[in-house]
Amino acid sequence: AQRVTQPEKLLSVFKGAPVELKCNYSYSGSPELFWYVQYSRQRLQLLLRHISRESIKGFTADLNKGETSFHLKKPFAQEEDSAMYYCALSPGGYNKLIFGAGTRLAVHP
Amino acid sequence: DTAVSQTPKYLVTQMGNDKSIKCEQNLGHDTMYWYKQDSKKFLKIMFSYNNKELIINETVPNRFSPKSPDKAHLNLHINSLELGDSAVYFCASSPGTSGSREQFFGPGTRLTVL
Repeated sequence: AQRVTQPEKLLSVFKGAPVELKCNYSYSGSPELFWYVQYSRQRLQLLLRHISRESIKGFTADLNKGETSFHLKKPFAQEEDSAMYYCALSPGGYNKLIFGAGTRLAVHP
Repeated sequence: DTAVSQTPKYLVTQMGNDKSIKCEQNLGHDTMYWYKQDSKKFLKIMFSYNNKELIINETVPNRFSPKSPDKAHLNLHINSLELGDSAVYFCASSPGTSGSREQFFGPGTRLTVL
């Protein structure tokens, strides 16, 4: 079965603290993994994808095929990072996204 | 502005009514999608069209009928609305069925069925 699991519904941290949003996936082939972010009253937008291996807004995510994980990390959280974060998987051959349940990140001053 | 746009932004209606949501993208993409976000913020794909052809239908009730008059538009018509249809519906588009699988999302339509 194709599935994305984000175990935390809410992650609450203070400004300057490190952040790790967990994502595990279940897929037997070679998926493409993404992190999407939804700021308050804004549309869903792409944050990162594993194939580009880039850092956006200080966030990074590494695909670990052995642990089937794609955790999102940032060393020092900022208040403007407060948003809903979705991990998503695109299975090979199908151009659809399977989303996790989302994690709300709240960064407090 | 190059983007994915949806109308209306909000839709409040009574049970049993029929309603439509429109989606347009001017990104030149071949593939368009409809997603449903429920009250718990869970996002699930409903349909996908590639060049006006239906390619994904994720066991959505047949009260929901997508229509793609051209590859820049994908509308969603819902018959006999039920309370459980209340959700935010997102349209998205992507370049095609191969290559980059990044999807670009519209602002969402919040449907409330009373």
